[in-house]
Amino acid sequence: VIWMTQSPSLLSASTGDRVIISCRMSQGISSYLAWYQQKPGKAPELLIYAASTLQSGVPSRFSGSGSGTDFTLTISCLQSEDFATYYCQQYYSFPPTFGQGTKVEIK
Amino acid sequence: QVQLVQSGAEVKKPGASVKVSCKASGYTFTSYDINWVRQATGQGLEWMGWMNPNSGNTGYAQKFQGRVTMTRNTSISTAYMELSSLRSEDTAVYYCARVRRYSSLLDAFDIWGQGTMVTVSS
Repeated sequence: VIWMTQSPSLLSASTGDRVIISCRMSQGISSYLAWYQQKPGKAPELLIYAASTLQSGVPSRFSGSGSGTDFTLTISCLQSEDFATYYCQQYYSFPPTFGQGTKVEIK
Repeated sequence: QVQLVQSGAEVKKPGASVKVSCKASGYTFTSYDINWVRQATGQGLEWMGWMNPNSGNTGYAQKFQGRVTMTRNTSISTAYMELSSLRSEDTAVYYCARVRRYSSLLDAFDIWGQGTMVTVSS
């Protein structure tokens, strides 16, 4: 099983801020990493796959980078609708695993 | 549009079973694997298993082996997840999710159902 450490677990930020969320793997996964956004009471939504490819319809202020064991999700200019919880997920090997989540809250 | 629509909330007693459905529309149901993920209240996402709707092949997380069964009915483009021997710790929202790429076993999940709340309580 590949373990994931996502940090921080809670991030307080203001609209317009640049936000960076980190995800570290217990072993290399090449670029088989996805990022999801989840709002309260809703299903997760895919933001980024293959570590850095933006899913269709996702605003360009979201970007992903990294390969191997270290990955980041960056929101370049936080908007009000971006306050949510973010999860990373590896799909390099079974079982696919998720990070613990990062809640982005209003400062 | 492409979507997955799940069945409604369930309340079950400990020891019972629950069967959640996930109806696909807007795409060829048999071309994309379906995964099931659950989320306890205030907690993270937990992968339960996958199913290939074309072959019926399945793979389950070790934690759920022996308690979970994933099936499908291709004539109505619907996937099912049945969890047996329910306990209070199984209280959670259960999601079905489609893999992003055609005929891909492991991939990101691009389409999710709306979730089904399963409550286990005596």
